[in-house]
Amino acid sequence: GENVEQHPSTLSVQEGDSAVIKCTYSDSASNYFPWYKQELGKRPQLIIDIRSNVGEKKDQRIAVTLNKTAKHFSLHITETQPEDSAVYFCAASIDTGKLIFGQGTTLQVKP
Amino acid sequence: ETGVTQTPRHLVMGMTNKKSLKCEQHLGHNAMYWYKQSAKKPLELMFVYSLEERVENNSVPSRFSPECPNSSHLFLHLHTLQPEDSALYLCASSQDPRGAYEQYFGPGTRLTVT
Repeated sequence: GENVEQHPSTLSVQEGDSAVIKCTYSDSASNYFPWYKQELGKRPQLIIDIRSNVGEKKDQRIAVTLNKTAKHFSLHITETQPEDSAVYFCAASIDTGKLIFGQGTTLQVKP
Repeated sequence: ETGVTQTPRHLVMGMTNKKSLKCEQHLGHNAMYWYKQSAKKPLELMFVYSLEERVENNSVPSRFSPECPNSSHLFLHLHTLQPEDSALYLCASSQDPRGAYEQYFGPGTRLTVT
């Protein structure tokens, strides 16, 4: 079955710097890759997603890139702010609701 | 936020108890999910329901028994749990489980098994 590896497990950056979180997946049939953000004590929420027919997607300070050949995708956050501090989860699926999640990355943005 | 609600928010139970977790979605979705979130582990999908029919059971022990009486409600019945079952149990819903749609999560139930 699908396996998703996420790195790093923790990431600390200064406010205003960029943050990059990387995920690799094992099943080449996977075609949907969402990213969820979970603030402390709160529920996970979708922040951006990408499908396998595109290589990059941007939404303001957040972008996701996908390399299907290498089977990896990354989350890029530019101009980080303290409110970006949270746990970020990547996931993969074969166009269904059965999401396989990565282990999570705890991002700390220092003011 | 009131899209997906879960009760109770916290639960402490002994290994011989029987309890139930409840989830309700007000989004008109057709799919509902149960996830287990343990420290230092990824979110683990437990069950998927589509229009009250179970479509996925991810090798979950029988001491967890889901029930979906209608498309808005989902229960997780618990009995004879083990301490390692202590975790945050999250419910989610989406438009349809057969497509890649955003999943909306509830706030979770923090379960402690003593």
